[in-house]
Amino acid sequence: DIQMTQSPSSLSASVGDRVTITCRTSQSISTYLNWYQQKPGKAPNLLIYGASNLQGGVPSRFSGSGSGTDFTLTISSLQPEDFATYYCQETYGSPSFGGGTKVEIK
Amino acid sequence: QVQLQESGPGLVKPSETLSLTCTVSGGSIRSYYWSWIRQPPGKGLEWIGYIFYSGSTNYNPSLKSRVTMSVDTSKNQFSLKLSSVTAADTAVYYCASHRDGYIYQFDYWGQGILVTVSS
Repeated sequence: DIQMTQSPSSLSASVGDRVTITCRTSQSISTYLNWYQQKPGKAPNLLIYGASNLQGGVPSRFSGSGSGTDFTLTISSLQPEDFATYYCQETYGSPSFGGGTKVEIK
Repeated sequence: QVQLQESGPGLVKPSETLSLTCTVSGGSIRSYYWSWIRQPPGKGLEWIGYIFYSGSTNYNPSLKSRVTMSVDTSKNQFSLKLSSVTAADTAVYYCASHRDGYIYQFDYWGQGILVTVSS
């Protein structure tokens, strides 16, 4: 099984901040990595697929990068609606998710 | 746009079988792969497995012995059965779609249904 390690598990940030979330996998997965945003009481929403491709309708302040075992989700300028929990997900094998990063208001 | 809606009992007794159905609207059930994903309260996400309209399935190895999925193309529905449930199976259960059976990009999700396992 591929292990997913997300960091940090939580962070506090202000509107306008640049935010970076990291996901590390236990083996190389090329770019088979997706990112999701989940707000309380709602289903996750696909933001980034294939490590760096923006899903349709997702604001351009979201970006993804990385390959192999190390990946990053960046929010260039945090907006009020971005306070949520973010999950990475590998799709190289049987899909699994990272533990999540909760982005809170500072 | 594809819409998904989960339905089923919100309370299941320990050792019994959890049964859920997902109804697909706004698109053909033949056009996507259909997965179940669950999330225990306050915890992360776990993929349970998928089914294709043809009936082919792929289950998470950790749950495979207890999972059965089926599809009813005439009703645009697919279903999940999870047997011998315990309190550890208490979770919000989501159905979700993806376009490929190897690259799992979950692009449409249901709203989720909370299933509690308790006597």
